[in-house]
Amino acid sequence: DIEMTQSPSSLSASVGDRVTIICRASHDISNYLNWYQQKPGKAPKLLIYPASSLQGGVPSRFSGSGSGTDFTLTISSLQFEDSATYFCQQSYSTPSFGQGTKLEI
Amino acid sequence: QVQLQESGPGLVKPSGTLSLTCAVSGGSISSSYWWSWVRQPPGKGLEWIGEIYHSGSTNYNPSLKSRVTISVDKSKNEFSLKLSSVTAADTAVYYCARKEYSGARRAFDYWGQGALVTVSS
Repeated sequence: DIEMTQSPSSLSASVGDRVTIICRASHDISNYLNWYQQKPGKAPKLLIYPASSLQGGVPSRFSGSGSGTDFTLTISSLQFEDSATYFCQQSYSTPSFGQGTKLEI
Repeated sequence: QVQLQESGPGLVKPSGTLSLTCAVSGGSISSSYWWSWVRQPPGKGLEWIGEIYHSGSTNYNPSLKSRVTISVDKSKNEFSLKLSSVTAADTAVYYCARKEYSGARRAFDYWGQGALVTVSS
C-alpha cells in the first residue's frame, strides 16, 4: 500500500495570502497525484489531476507541482471561499488519500 | 452534466449488511469510466472502497475485500455496494463517484452528495 502524508494538518491564513500544502507519497508514484477540495457537508471536488493540470472551471490561483514522492498544492492569492479541507490522492496503485489539510481563512 | 445519487438505509445493525445504490444520470454507466465507492467516517479522511466497470470487472480495497461486493445494473444505469459484517467502525458518509481512467488521468471527477450510514443497534 502507498501511504500519503500531508502537511500541515491545518493552517490559518488571510485573504490575499499565498499558501502551499505538501503531500508526500511513501513510494514513487510518478505524476499520478490528484488534489481535491472539500467543504463541510459536501462531496470532494476535483481540483488538479494529474499533479499539475487544472480541472475545468477551477480558478487559476490554484496550481500543483511535483513528481515522484513530493507534491505541492499552491493557492496564489487566497479568497474567502477557499476555506476548506484539501486532500491529495494517489492513483498509481490502489487509490489512497492523504489525511487532509484544513485551511481556515 | 453527470449526476450521481446514493440511496439506501441510513441505519444498519452490527453484524448486518450495508447496502447502497448509486443512480447515474446525465450519462451512461456503460461509458468508459470506472464507478467507485469512497467513504468518510465522521470528522476523518477518505477511504476508497472499490470500483466496477460496466463489463462487471471489479477492484476492491484489500483492507475491505473480504466484506465488499460491488455490482452494476446497466438496465437501470446504477451500481451498488454491499458491505457485510458491519461494525461501528463502518459508520461513515458513503460517496459514489465516477473515475476517469485515461493514461495518467485517473481521478474521481464526479461525486454523489453522500449518504450517511450509521451502524448501531
